[in-house]
Amino acid sequence: DVKVTQSSRYLVKRTGEKVFLECVQDMDHENMFWYRQDPGLGLRLIYFSYDVKMKEKGDIPEGYSVSREKKERFSLILESASTNQTSMYLCASRVGGQPQHFGDGTRLSIL
Amino acid sequence: AQSVTQLDSHVSVSEGTPVLLRCNYSSSYSPSLFWYVQHPNKGLQLLLKYTSAATLVKGINGFEAEFKKSETSFHLTKPSAHMSDAAEYFCVVSRDTGRRALTFGSGTRLQVQP
Repeated sequence: DVKVTQSSRYLVKRTGEKVFLECVQDMDHENMFWYRQDPGLGLRLIYFSYDVKMKEKGDIPEGYSVSREKKERFSLILESASTNQTSMYLCASRVGGQPQHFGDGTRLSIL
Repeated sequence: AQSVTQLDSHVSVSEGTPVLLRCNYSSSYSPSLFWYVQHPNKGLQLLLKYTSAATLVKGINGFEAEFKKSETSFHLTKPSAHMSDAAEYFCVVSRDTGRRALTFGSGTRLQVQP
């Protein structure tokens, strides 16, 4: 079974801080994705990566950046955290035409 | 662009009765469609997927969905609800761009009454 691991289940940070959310997958998948989940809005795509050092913006990239230095790890960075970035963040990975596999999520609160 | 609309934000059923969660999609091509389930404080688990091989798709835990092109629908059903089915369900379409990133519906919360 594919395992997608997000380093923190819960995280509390302050406005203006630089925040790192980490995601690791164990199946050598080339595609990795970051979503945020908000009530009534489903999941919205922030960024995705299709190879090491390759990335593309999703639907809501403002205020975020990403890093993929190794194939198994995809990091989401909040450059200067703001309260409207309080949300659940979900990472996913996929190979070829197969469905995406999701981590358990990081619930991030910005105070 | 692809989109999905989940027609009910909340559905409540009694244990042992049928479940129907409704989803309409919009796509300019033959889409790949999915249903995912999310239990409280958990990530998303794939229930089933449609990729044009058969219009009636069977998934895990007794769920199935029927792709109806003429109605642009992909409704999720289960003959008999179980308490463990209480969760949030997402109808999802795969994009034809962006490395097959997913577009999610807004979700349907299923409650199962004893």
